[in-house]
Amino acid sequence: SQKIEQNSEALNIQEGKTATLTCNYTNYSPAYLQWYRQDPGRGPVFLLLIRENEKEKRKERLKVTFDTTLKQSLFHITASQPADSATYLCASNSGGGADGLTFGKGTHLIIQP
Amino acid sequence: GAVVSQHPSRVICKSGTSVKIECRSLDFQATTMFWYRQFPKQSLMLMATSNEGSKATYEQGVEKDKFLINHASLTLSTLTVTSAHPEDSSFYICSASVFGGRGNEQFFGPGTRLTVL
Repeated sequence: SQKIEQNSEALNIQEGKTATLTCNYTNYSPAYLQWYRQDPGRGPVFLLLIRENEKEKRKERLKVTFDTTLKQSLFHITASQPADSATYLCASNSGGGADGLTFGKGTHLIIQP
Repeated sequence: GAVVSQHPSRVICKSGTSVKIECRSLDFQATTMFWYRQFPKQSLMLMATSNEGSKATYEQGVEKDKFLINHASLTLSTLTVTSAHPEDSSFYICSASVFGGRGNEQFFGPGTRLTVL
């Protein structure tokens, strides 16, 4: 069955450094990948979407890459700040023909001052 | 940006009762809304896709008679958890896709924390 995996449950980064989060997918070829931010007790907030024919996408301090050979997407936050601390979710189409998303478990990012 | 609201934000109920959760798109029309469930430290799991004016499509393993979904208008979808049991305690989140097409961002509601005693 198709899987999205975010291997790091938690990641601690010092303020000002670049945080890099990994998302791997298996057993399918997603047409796109999306990244969301989720704060405790809240719904996810959309950050970036990257399609399979795009190698890289940027938005302010955020950058996402899509490597179809490695079956992997990387999510970068440059010049990280304590306010960036949250859980980051990778998601893609469920493959069922609808728009419902399959999510990874998320990576809990902690930016230490 | 597109805003999705949910009501209530928290609900505590007794085992065997039914609970209704509302999901509204406040500033846009959503032909398709989605319902997810999230257990502690787990990922969001898609439960069903709700289409305005038609029956919802449920994911494998989700009981349609237990989780009743109604999408009566382009701005409102409801999820009713019938005969709730403690194992139904979870964080229920709805979302809407503005264009309804594949590969579009989804706007999520703030979630509803259901606790069944």
